[in-house]
Amino acid sequence: DVKVTQSSRYLVKRTGEKVFLECVQDMDHENMFWYRQDPGLGLRLIYFSYDVKMKEKGDIPEGYSVSREKKERFSLILESASTNQTSMYLCASSASGTAEKLFFGSGTQLSVL
Amino acid sequence: GENVEQHPSTLSVQEGDSAVIKCTYSDSASNYFPWYKQELGKRPQLIIDIRSNVGEKKDQRIAVTLNKTAKHFSLHITETQPEDSAVYFCAATSMDSSASKIIFGSGTRLSIRP
Repeated sequence: DVKVTQSSRYLVKRTGEKVFLECVQDMDHENMFWYRQDPGLGLRLIYFSYDVKMKEKGDIPEGYSVSREKKERFSLILESASTNQTSMYLCASSASGTAEKLFFGSGTQLSVL
Repeated sequence: GENVEQHPSTLSVQEGDSAVIKCTYSDSASNYFPWYKQELGKRPQLIIDIRSNVGEKKDQRIAVTLNKTAKHFSLHITETQPEDSAVYFCAATSMDSSASKIIFGSGTRLSIRP
């Protein structure tokens, strides 16, 4: 079974803090994604990566950056957290260079106070 | 870029009845349309998908139809059961690009009344 692991289930941070959300997958998947989930808005794509050191902006990249130094790890970075970034963050991975089944992590509920 | 609209946002059906969720997409190049189910407190999981060379696909009580001309696709659940209660997301993506991305609809909260 594919395992996508997000480092924290719940996280509370202060406005202005730098926040790191970590995601690790164990199936040698090429593609990795970061989504945020908000009620009524569904899953919105922040950033994705189809190879090591490669990144592409999704629909809502403002205020976020990402890092993919190793194939299995994809990090989401909030340079200066703001209250409107309070959300559930979901990491996902998929195989090969084309769209295939997404395997999601269990999510990180981030609260920015 | 791709935009996916999903309706309704909430749906309540009597156990045993059918449920239909509809989605439209904007990018005519999209050719892969998955559906994900998210139970309360759990991660989304793929339940069925359809590719653009197929008009309909069935898996037991679940079916998906695709109309490429109209750019819409639908999820049909027959003989609904309590365990079908969840949030369902449709999505669309292009399979031809090495940088293809999966864009989701806003979700439908399905409730099954006993």
